[in-house]
Amino acid sequence: EPEVTQTPSHQVTQMGQEVILRCVPISNHLYFYWYRQILGQKVEFLVSFYNNEISEKSEIFDDQFSVERPDGSNFTLKIRSTKLEDSAMYFCASSEVNWGGYGNTEAFFGQGTRLTVV
Amino acid sequence: QKEVEQNSGPLSVPEGAIASLNCTYSDRVSQSFFWYRQYSGKSPELIMSIYSNGDKEDGRFTAQLNKASQYVSLLIRDSQPSDSATYLCAVNAGKLIFGQGTTLQVKP
Repeated sequence: EPEVTQTPSHQVTQMGQEVILRCVPISNHLYFYWYRQILGQKVEFLVSFYNNEISEKSEIFDDQFSVERPDGSNFTLKIRSTKLEDSAMYFCASSEVNWGGYGNTEAFFGQGTRLTVV
Repeated sequence: QKEVEQNSGPLSVPEGAIASLNCTYSDRVSQSFFWYRQYSGKSPELIMSIYSNGDKEDGRFTAQLNKASQYVSLLIRDSQPSDSATYLCAVNAGKLIFGQGTTLQVKP
């Protein structure tokens, strides 16, 4: 069964360092997302990506964050200068379609990357 | 501000009982509604989607949608200890907006 895969599963980084979280979405999906979940809190939307550009981003997704689809399969989230408060689980998700239209709007999540900033 | 509200629980039911999980949402424009299950430390796993008013059944799970009342629910019949998890309601309003989740405990 197709699935979203994320690497690494756990990343420990020093405050101020750059991290890149990687995701391989499901192959026929066109919409890609990053979400995060701080321990004990709700899953929060960060950004959606379609046709090689950002569709929507939340207020959390400030200038420290960027996303890229460097090739036909990978989708990355970069945090330029990590802060302690960036410590969270980061989930990548993908769906065939996003909002209305034809096709399946169901979004499937990867297993997550646990980012710990020390 | 688009919101999705759930009772955080915990909701405790005995094995074999029906668990009823509820969710309300604020955005009237939303068209797609989802229930995810999340085990501790794991990612959300899609278990049900519903797009039209009424009931949708899949095995032991039934999702119910009432757009007029902006209300979504999930019934789990014959609850098993393995159903113990946090259940996340999510609404597609251009992106998925999640509730805080309801923790379900099924006691043997």
